[in-house]
Amino acid sequence: EADIYQTPRYLVIGTGKKITLECSQTMGHDKMYWYQQDPGMELHLIHYSYGVNSTEKGDLSSESTVSRIRTEHFPLTLESARPSHTSQYLCASSESGGGDTQYFGPGTRLTVL
Amino acid sequence: GENVEQHPSTLSVQEGDSAVIKCTYSDSASNYFPWYKQELGKRPQLIIDIRSNVGEKKDQRIAVTLNKTAKHFSLHITETQPEDSAVYFCAAKWMRNTPLVFGKGTRLSVIA
Repeated sequence: EADIYQTPRYLVIGTGKKITLECSQTMGHDKMYWYQQDPGMELHLIHYSYGVNSTEKGDLSSESTVSRIRTEHFPLTLESARPSHTSQYLCASSESGGGDTQYFGPGTRLTVL
Repeated sequence: GENVEQHPSTLSVQEGDSAVIKCTYSDSASNYFPWYKQELGKRPQLIIDIRSNVGEKKDQRIAVTLNKTAKHFSLHITETQPEDSAVYFCAAKWMRNTPLVFGKGTRLSVIA
């Protein structure tokens, strides 16, 4: 079944650790996005990509980086986790061309101690 | 760029009543307006969307209206049920290769 997958779903980690949040989609979409969201609160766009080797920063200032080496894979890396990074991270994807609907993954809930 | 304002931030209605959430956008070039519902602990999911060449769209108990002149669009939920309780986000897309711009969300509570 076509879907967006995120791993891990939950992560508790100490300050200063390097972490990578994984996002993969089998939707066949070219466009992918990362959002940060405190539960039930505003969606903050942190990175997006419109295709392989294309990445852009979003509106939220973040110490994270992304890569897009394969169409279906869009990992997010925090080089040095801090308590202020504690939040939920949502990955999303959408079609190219006239497709504007974004489909969201289930999210990764990150806690940095 | 685009800016989307969403009101109210919280809304409580009695079961069976109607709920209306309104969003305004800043860029008249915006042409796509989706609404997402996010239940507690779940991912946001598209519930209805409208394009700028249409004034109204309905899907069972939900409808969206668009006023391009005033640059606002609204979500209408009729005969509300407890399972309608969620956070609702509006969004606008203002250029072909730009991401959606989301409103800050409305927390709807339907009281049985």
